[in-house]
Amino acid sequence: DQQVKQNSPSLSVQEGRISILNCDYTNSMFDYFLWYKKYPAEGPTFLISISSIKDKNEDGRFTVFLNKSAKHLSLHIVPSQPGDSAVYFCAGMDVNTGTASKLTFGTGTRLQVTL
Amino acid sequence: DTGVSQDPRHKITKRGQNVTFRCDPISEHNRLYWYRQTLGQGPEFLTYFQNEAQLEKSRLLSDRFSAERPKGSFSTLEIQRTEQGDSAMYLCASSPGTSGGFYNEQFFGPGTRLTVL
Repeated sequence: DQQVKQNSPSLSVQEGRISILNCDYTNSMFDYFLWYKKYPAEGPTFLISISSIKDKNEDGRFTVFLNKSAKHLSLHIVPSQPGDSAVYFCAGMDVNTGTASKLTFGTGTRLQVTL
Repeated sequence: DTGVSQDPRHKITKRGQNVTFRCDPISEHNRLYWYRQTLGQGPEFLTYFQNEAQLEKSRLLSDRFSAERPKGSFSTLEIQRTEQGDSAMYLCASSPGTSGGFYNEQFFGPGTRLTVL
C-alpha cells in the first residue's frame, strides 16, 4: 500500500512564481515529515522538515505546511528559481516506534522552473 | 567533504554474480540506513543499523541480501546470485540518532547504481 502519495508526477512553474508541491499520507502514526530534493545521478538532499505538533515550518524560500486532519502537507517555494528544477520527494516517519524511524517516501514530483 | 560516501558509484554485473557495496556515513552518526530506489519510485527502506547492531530489516531484503556494519562505522551491503530485478539505485543514509540538531533527518549518499545483465 502506498502510505505516502504524491499525485502530481510533474509540475512546471515560471521563474519567480510560487511552486506548490503536494503530498498526502494515509498512515496516522506518522508524526514527522521531510522533503527531499533529488538531482539526476545524485542522492536525495534534505530540504526541510516538520513535526506533527506544528502546522508550518519556514526556511528561507521554502515553507512546509501540515494539515493533520486532512493528512496533507505541501511545500511552497517562493520565488522559484531555475536551480530548483529537480525531483521532490515527500517522506513520513513514525518517530515513536522506538526502532528504525525509517522514512516512507512518496513517488516524487518533478519540478521544472522555466525562464 | 564530510558527507555520506558510497562506493562504487556504478556497478554492472552479470546475473548470478555476487556484488558488494560500501557506505561511509557522516562521522559520529550512529544510525545508518540502506534504501533501494527503482525508476519512477521513491526510495524504499531495506535495513537499519544502530551502531553495529542491525535492528530492522524490510521484507524487501531477501535472503540473498546481507548487510553488515562491523565496527559501527562503515557498512557493506552484499547481494548474492544477483537477478535482473535487483537492478536499482542503492542508497545509504545516516543520521545522528539521539544527539545533534538534526535528530530525525537522514542524510543520503550519492548512491550506487546497479545494473544486472
